[in-house]
Amino acid sequence: DAKTTQPPSMDCAEGRAANLPCNHSTISGNEYVYWYRQIHSQGPQYIIHGLKNNETNEMASLIITEDRKSSTLILPHATLRDTAVYYCIVRVANTGGFKTIFGAGTRLFVKA
Amino acid sequence: GAVVSQHPSRVICKSGTSVKIECRSLDFQATTMFWYRQFPKQSLMLMATSNEGSKATYEQGVEKDKFLINHASLTLSTLTVTSAHPEDSSFYICSAAPGTSGGRGGVDTQYFGPGTRLTVL
Repeated sequence: DAKTTQPPSMDCAEGRAANLPCNHSTISGNEYVYWYRQIHSQGPQYIIHGLKNNETNEMASLIITEDRKSSTLILPHATLRDTAVYYCIVRVANTGGFKTIFGAGTRLFVKA
Repeated sequence: GAVVSQHPSRVICKSGTSVKIECRSLDFQATTMFWYRQFPKQSLMLMATSNEGSKATYEQGVEKDKFLINHASLTLSTLTVTSAHPEDSSFYICSAAPGTSGGRGGVDTQYFGPGTRLTVL
């Protein structure tokens, strides 16, 4: 699976949009971009994923560049409860036998 | 949908004893489950891939005789830490994918359990 690069930490003001970048310059054509987050002492929580089109759900938006070498997770109105470590992962999406390998992630601090 | 549970959530044991951790997919069947370990202030490290009805596949450096994995049904995988030592103290997390039964993220998205914190005295 392709390697990802994320900033180690970011700050965001409560109520503002949080934009978390991720570089995945070696991504393959059949690899998806997944985002998870982990709140302290809990298991990771799925947020969103995409292949090449931008995606939006009730939690966040995912913007993938046209060349697919980078992406941005957007939390439109960050709250204090969004403080967590955010992981960007790229991997093949197929049934059975796939792995999700975690990097260091970005520690997002949402401040009042 | 796509809920994964773990039991126990927290366990304290004496050095030399064995500890079993259960991972269950509550509302879907999972042919494959995964076990991770996480030390303080570090990322998750994949330990092994658990396949229903067959032997688990361990990542390099993970002792298969120490971390016994059993995946007896499509909704249950267990991790047994044998002869636990203080250095095995960690946060153990399992995950599973719904496969054909879907979930909010689709058939190939993995969903994670809440984790089990193991402390070996």
